[in-house]
Amino acid sequence: SQTIHQWPATLVQPVGSPLSLECTVEGTSNPNLYWYRQAAGRGLQLLFYSVGIGQISSEVPQNLSASRPQDRQFILSSKKLLLSDSGFYLCAWSNALGNTQYFGPGTRLTVL
Amino acid sequence: GNSVTQMEGPVTLSEEAFLTINCTYTATGYPSLFWYVQYPGEGLQLLLKATKADDKGSNKGFEATYRKETTSFHLEKGSVQVSDSAVYFCALSSNAGGTSYGKLTFGQGTILTVHP
Repeated sequence: SQTIHQWPATLVQPVGSPLSLECTVEGTSNPNLYWYRQAAGRGLQLLFYSVGIGQISSEVPQNLSASRPQDRQFILSSKKLLLSDSGFYLCAWSNALGNTQYFGPGTRLTVL
Repeated sequence: GNSVTQMEGPVTLSEEAFLTINCTYTATGYPSLFWYVQYPGEGLQLLLKATKADDKGSNKGFEATYRKETTSFHLEKGSVQVSDSAVYFCALSSNAGGTSYGKLTFGQGTILTVHP
């Protein structure tokens, strides 16, 4: 069966510091991968998606970037965090031809 | 563009009450429809889905029917439990326009609290 992991689970970072969040998927090959941000425990905003290694599409302009160095690894990064980057970050995967997304446990980021 | 509208809530019920959370959508083509549930501090879990008109998705006593004529996908449960307290998200996925991925459009979420 497929599983999706995210780490760290929680993170507190000062403004201006760098960020690296990691997401890995097990039990499937060539998945589509997604990064979402959820603010105030409610609506989800799609940040990035990837259909293959090195292929990243950004949905909204922002202070963040994403990379996919391996088939089942998806990384969310920032060079300098802003207060507004605080939130709950969720990674998700789907089969290449499927439209059902499965979510990881999330990372809660607090920028102080 | 695609959009999902669900009742704002919060919804507060007593245990064993009947639950309805309304969800309506606007989409091009023939979307698939989903309900996700988020328990406090956790990620989203797929609760149920329906991929074509008149399909009924069901899981854990919850069910929702894909109604194309009313563009709705209302979530129902006959008897809620305290453990059902969570945030519920309605979502749709449409590959209209030849996109190579199933982009999800989410509603804003409905907070459900069930008291003993």
